[in-house]
Amino acid sequence: AQRVTQPEKLLSVFKGAPVELKCNYSYSGSPELFWYVQYSRQRLQLLLRHISRESIKGFTADLNKGETSFHLKKPFAQEEDSAMYYCALSRSSGGYNKLIFGAGTRLAVHP
Amino acid sequence: NAGVMQNPRHLVRRRGQEARLRCSPMKGHSHVYWYRQLPEEGLKFMVYLQKENIIDESGMPKERFSAEFPKEGPSILRIQQVVRGDSAAYFCASSSLSEAFFGQGTRLTVV
Repeated sequence: AQRVTQPEKLLSVFKGAPVELKCNYSYSGSPELFWYVQYSRQRLQLLLRHISRESIKGFTADLNKGETSFHLKKPFAQEEDSAMYYCALSRSSGGYNKLIFGAGTRLAVHP
Repeated sequence: NAGVMQNPRHLVRRRGQEARLRCSPMKGHSHVYWYRQLPEEGLKFMVYLQKENIIDESGMPKERFSAEFPKEGPSILRIQQVVRGDSAAYFCASSSLSEAFFGQGTRLTVV
């Protein structure tokens, strides 16, 4: 079965500390993986996707097919990074991107 | 472009009433997705629609739930005879096949 697992409900760090939000997936084909972020009182928005291999707001994520992981990392957390982060997988069948989401991790960055 | 617009933002219904949730996709988008988020869970896919067609409703409960995306006007998610378990945040997304953009959601509370 296709599934996305985010084992941590809450990750609490101090400003300047490194951050790693974990995401593991199970998928029988070649997945497309995404990280979405939801800041307080704002809509869900795409943070990054594995096929673009870019860094957004200092965040990076590498797809590890051997470990079936797509962990989100940032070397130095900022207070404005505090938000809900969702890992998602696209089943991309029929030419459209239906998404399977993890339960989310709340990142709290303290001053 | 105002983005994906959902209304109402908050909806309170008594058990047994009907709930209608509306979603206007981004300009130029003809693909609409509905997701449901129960407390402490991730977003779960419900249905994918194109104009006047339901393409994938594999995530829709078999009873009481229906969705439409007419030629003119917004997409409607309709829940008949609501029960307490329908209380959730309902998110709509629209896509141009490359990226999904989300609305701010409708929070349904059944009392």
